[in-house]
Amino acid sequence: AQSVTQLDSQVPVFEEAPVELRCNYSSSVSVYLFWYVQYPNQGLQLLLKYLSGSTLVKGINGFEAEFNKSQTSFHLRKPSVHISDTAEYFCAQVRRSASKIIFGSGTRLSIRP
Amino acid sequence: DAGVIQSPRHEVTEMGQEVTLRCKPISGHNSLFWYRQTMMRGLELLIYFNNNVPIDDSGMPEDRFSAKMPNASFSTLKIQPSEPRDSAVYFCASSTRGLGGETQYFGPGTRLLVL
Repeated sequence: AQSVTQLDSQVPVFEEAPVELRCNYSSSVSVYLFWYVQYPNQGLQLLLKYLSGSTLVKGINGFEAEFNKSQTSFHLRKPSVHISDTAEYFCAQVRRSASKIIFGSGTRLSIRP
Repeated sequence: DAGVIQSPRHEVTEMGQEVTLRCKPISGHNSLFWYRQTMMRGLELLIYFNNNVPIDDSGMPEDRFSAKMPNASFSTLKIQPSEPRDSAVYFCASSTRGLGGETQYFGPGTRLLVL
């Protein structure tokens, strides 16, 4: 069965520090990968997605992620975080030609001033 | 564009009552998704529609749950009878074309509390 593992449930960082949120996917076949962000009391919003091509994907708000097939990872990074990045981040995968989207359990990013 | 619209935003009901959640997708989007989010189970896809037709309802937890999409601009998720374990935030999302690599646009959610 498909699964998406987000290794950290919470990540506290200081403002302007770099951050990496880890995600591992489980599919042995080609997948589409996504990172979504959820601000308090809101729905999810797409940060970035990997469909094919370049393994480094740039998204909104200065975030980027790198697709690593050999390690089945899709980690999210930002070189310098802001207070406004405080939110929960979800990694998700869709197998190509499948009818399922699987979300990870989420990583809560808290920014300390 | 107004985005995905959900109503009500909050619902408190008593066990055994019928609950109906409503969703209006983004105009021009052909696919609509219903999700449930809880602390214990995270974010789960319940059902999704393409061109108003249910494609996969394997995530619907049990027969008490039903979803309809009578036209391209409206969908409902109904729980009858409701139980306390149905308490969750229910999200509706839409996309231009199904799953795959399409971006989903989420509504603000309906927070349901069943007493």
